[in-house]
Amino acid sequence: EDKVVQSPLSLVVHEGDTVTLNCSYEVTNFRSLLWYKQEKKAPTFLFMLTSSGIEKKSGRLSSILDKKELFSILNITATQTGDSAVYLCAVFPGSARQLTFGSGTQLTVLP
Amino acid sequence: GAGVSQSPRYKVAKRGQDVALRCDPISGHVSLFWYQQALGQGPEFLTYFQNEAQLDKSGLPSDRFFAERPEGSVSTLKIQRTQQEDSAVYLCASSLTRTHYEQYFGPGTRLTVT
Repeated sequence: EDKVVQSPLSLVVHEGDTVTLNCSYEVTNFRSLLWYKQEKKAPTFLFMLTSSGIEKKSGRLSSILDKKELFSILNITATQTGDSAVYLCAVFPGSARQLTFGSGTQLTVLP
Repeated sequence: GAGVSQSPRYKVAKRGQDVALRCDPISGHVSLFWYQQALGQGPEFLTYFQNEAQLDKSGLPSDRFFAERPEGSVSTLKIQRTQQEDSAVYLCASSLTRTHYEQYFGPGTRLTVT
């Protein structure tokens, strides 16, 4: 059975801290891994990773995939209160078209 | 441009009632997905359409759940004889083509069954 596990489940930091969120997966015929940010509304797309070792970067956020060890990390530097959200990791397994999601990491950034 | 929209945003139903949830995908998007998200969990796949064809409904939890997309654009998820365990947020997502992995999500419909 395809599985996506995120850690930690929740994290509380102060503004300016750097955080690393983890996502490990077990899927058949992996094709890509996606990160989403979910506030109290629609998940919004952050990154899609297909190749190992290539860092994707957007402002203070960056992510990298390791297809040998079957995990990805999402880094957020100089965190701000607006970064508070649930961060979801999802993968495309096998021949399916749908995403398989982890349960998310709840990040809270305190002022 | 307009994103994925869903209505209603909130729905309270008495147990046993039927409900219908609507999704308007991004214009021109071929693929449409429905997910169910329980509190504190990630979204779980329900069903997938490519244009008007429902290609995968393996995630629908019971035969009380039914989805359609008759003209290949707007989709409706119907739940008959709602039960308390149906309480969740129902998310709709669309993607541009059948080979496009990036899915754009709507704001969801929060269904509460009392």
